Amino acid sequence: GNSVTQMEGPVTLSEEAFLTINCTYTATGYPSLFWYVQYPGEGLQLLLKATKADDKGSNKGFEATYRKETTSFHLEKGSVQVSDSAVYFCALSDHTGRRALTFGSGTRLQVQP
Amino acid sequence: NAGVTQTPKFRVLKTGQSMTLLCAQDMNHEYMYWYRQDPGMGLRLIHYSVGEGTTAKGEVPDGYNVSRLKKQNFLLGLESAAPSQTSVYFCASTGVQDNNYGYTFGSGTRLTVV
Repeated sequence: GNSVTQMEGPVTLSEEAFLTINCTYTATGYPSLFWYVQYPGEGLQLLLKATKADDKGSNKGFEATYRKETTSFHLEKGSVQVSDSAVYFCALSDHTGRRALTFGSGTRLQVQP
Repeated sequence: NAGVTQTPKFRVLKTGQSMTLLCAQDMNHEYMYWYRQDPGMGLRLIHYSVGEGTTAKGEVPDGYNVSRLKKQNFLLGLESAAPSQTSVYFCASTGVQDNNYGYTFGSGTRLTVV
């Protein structure tokens, strides 16, 4: 079956530091890959996505590249802000009839001023 | 511009009680989902629906039932609540025409079973 593995948190960084959150996946075929963000007390919001190999998703300074050869989709940001503090989820959809997302366990990011 | 609305937002149940969580979407989406979120486990799929009148089991369906009588509504029922069902429940939807899988999530229902 499908699975998504993320680095465990919490990740604690100082403002303006470089961020990497690792994500690897196992899936049949060629899934679409996503990063979702969850701010305290809120639901999930789509941060970025990539639908085929070598695609780069980007939004709000965050980037992730779909690497088929390493089955990875690592999230990066060059300079984090306190407002980026949240839980980040890597997810995939394998294009089966149900179109459901499979999520990683989530990584909590804490950015200190 | 409501998107996906979940009710209630919070609930405390006693063991053995029943309740229904309501999810309503106004985007004419065909696909709807119920997930539960537990610490360190991400979101896990409970049940889903690919259209009005259809439902199917996800990865963790035990203890839950669902119904999709109207396209815009997806109900999640707990017939006899157990402490293991203490969790945050999220509803999500997406459309057949959305080839980029633009899922919309509700804001969640925090359920505590004592």
